[in-house]
Amino acid sequence: AQKITQTQPGMFVQEKEAVTLDCTYDTSDPSYGLFWYKQPSSGEMIFLIYQGSYDQQNATEGRYSLNFQKARKSANLVISASQLGDSAMYFCAMRGDSGAGSYQLTFGKGTKLSVIP
Amino acid sequence: GAGVSQSPSNKVTEKGKDVELRCDPISGHTALYWYRQRLGQGLEFLIYFQGNSAPDKSGLPSDRFSAERTGESVSTLTIQRTQQEDSAVYLCASSPHYWLSEQYFGPGTRLTVT
Repeated sequence: AQKITQTQPGMFVQEKEAVTLDCTYDTSDPSYGLFWYKQPSSGEMIFLIYQGSYDQQNATEGRYSLNFQKARKSANLVISASQLGDSAMYFCAMRGDSGAGSYQLTFGKGTKLSVIP
Repeated sequence: GAGVSQSPSNKVTEKGKDVELRCDPISGHTALYWYRQRLGQGLEFLIYFQGNSAPDKSGLPSDRFSAERTGESVSTLTIQRTQQEDSAVYLCASSPHYWLSEQYFGPGTRLTVT
């Protein structure tokens, strides 16, 4: 079984500042993938970034980076230079590489980020 | 190109009625997924299709829920005898193959059971 924990129900950040959204995970799979999705108020899930468990380097996509600490089982999302349009729900998710976990994504409960002008 | 589309965007129904939710995946994507998102919660996996077959139906919450996919394209999620606890946003996603990383999501159908 896989589990994702996001301990911050809500976060505030000043525009142009950086913010870190926490995510810890639990799995027995030897290899797995970690994802972050953004869900604006419109409701659509937007893929942001992916990290494979055997990737040597932390993933980066533009202003998004994933701070992957395998020993701690954490996969925090860092957003640099926050913009007003970053205000949304952010979900951490994972996919294992065996059994049911190999295709279904397991999601955390999300963190609501509010960017303050 | 066109993304995943879902219809209707909103559905209000009376308790006990049946509803059908439709998903049009990205053309050429062989894998299709249904998730449910209750208010203020993360997504719960419901069912997954590889082609037209559903290897895993374990996430369906009860036998009132069923889904089918035809022509390796459109999928329909059917909820019979709806209950108030079925109220949620139902999200569909697709990916080129089930083992590839990213799932592309549609905008969802918001179902309200009164």
